Amino acid sequence: GAVVSQHPSWVICKSGTSVKIECRSLDFQATTMFWYRQFPKQSLMLMATSNEGSKATYEQGVEKDKFLINHASLTLSTLTVTSAHPEDSSFYICSARRLRLGETQYFGPGTRLLVL
Amino acid sequence: AQSVTQPDIHITVSEGASLELRCNYSYGATPYLFWYVQSPGQGLQLLLKYFSGDTLVQGIKGFEAEFKRSQSSFNLRKPSVHWSDAAEYFCAVERNTDKLIFGTGTRLQVFP
Repeated sequence: GAVVSQHPSWVICKSGTSVKIECRSLDFQATTMFWYRQFPKQSLMLMATSNEGSKATYEQGVEKDKFLINHASLTLSTLTVTSAHPEDSSFYICSARRLRLGETQYFGPGTRLLVL
Repeated sequence: AQSVTQPDIHITVSEGASLELRCNYSYGATPYLFWYVQSPGQGLQLLLKYFSGDTLVQGIKGFEAEFKRSQSSFNLRKPSVHWSDAAEYFCAVERNTDKLIFGTGTRLQVFP
C-alpha cells in the first residue's frame, strides 16, 4: 500500500511554455502533499507544502507565481511550472502523507523536466 | 537552525562487506529520523524510521539504524552488502512542522 504516482515521468518543453505535473496517491487519501526539487547529484529541496482544499505554503525563495500548486482532492496535487526556462530544468518529486504528524511521507517516482 | 549532515559523499565497498553510513543531526529535541534510498532517476524509498522507543531500528532489505542521542547520530548499517544496494542514501529528519529536512546524501558504490 501507500503508492504515489507522478505523471509524466519525463517532459521536454520549449522555453516560455507551461508544464503541468500530476501527483496522485493511488491507495490512500493524502491530506498533505509535498513538492521537492532535486538538481543532479544534490539533495531534495522542499519547494512547497499543500493541504487539500487550501493554498500551498511555499518555502523561502520559491516563486509561487512561477510554481503553481493545486491540491484539489485528497488524491491529487498538481505542480504547474509557468513560463518555463532552461534553469527550471530539474527532477521534481512529490510526496504524500495521510496525517500531519507521525506518518511517513510516501514519495512518487519523480518527473524529469528539460526546458530547451 | 536544524540541519542534517552526511559526512561521506561517496562510499565504495565490496559485495559481502559490511556497511555503515553516517548521519548526524542538529535539533533541539529528538526529531523523527528517516533513511531513504534512491536509485538513479527514481523517487525515494523508505528504508526505516525512528520515532521513539527502541533505539535500534530494523528496516527493509536487511538494513538497520541506531539512534544515539548523546551523539546526535542515526547511522545506517548493513552486515553484508549486495550489488543491488548501490544507490544514493539520504538521511532525513522531521521537525514538528511536518517538513522533512534531507542530508546531502551518500552515494554507495558496490564492487563485485
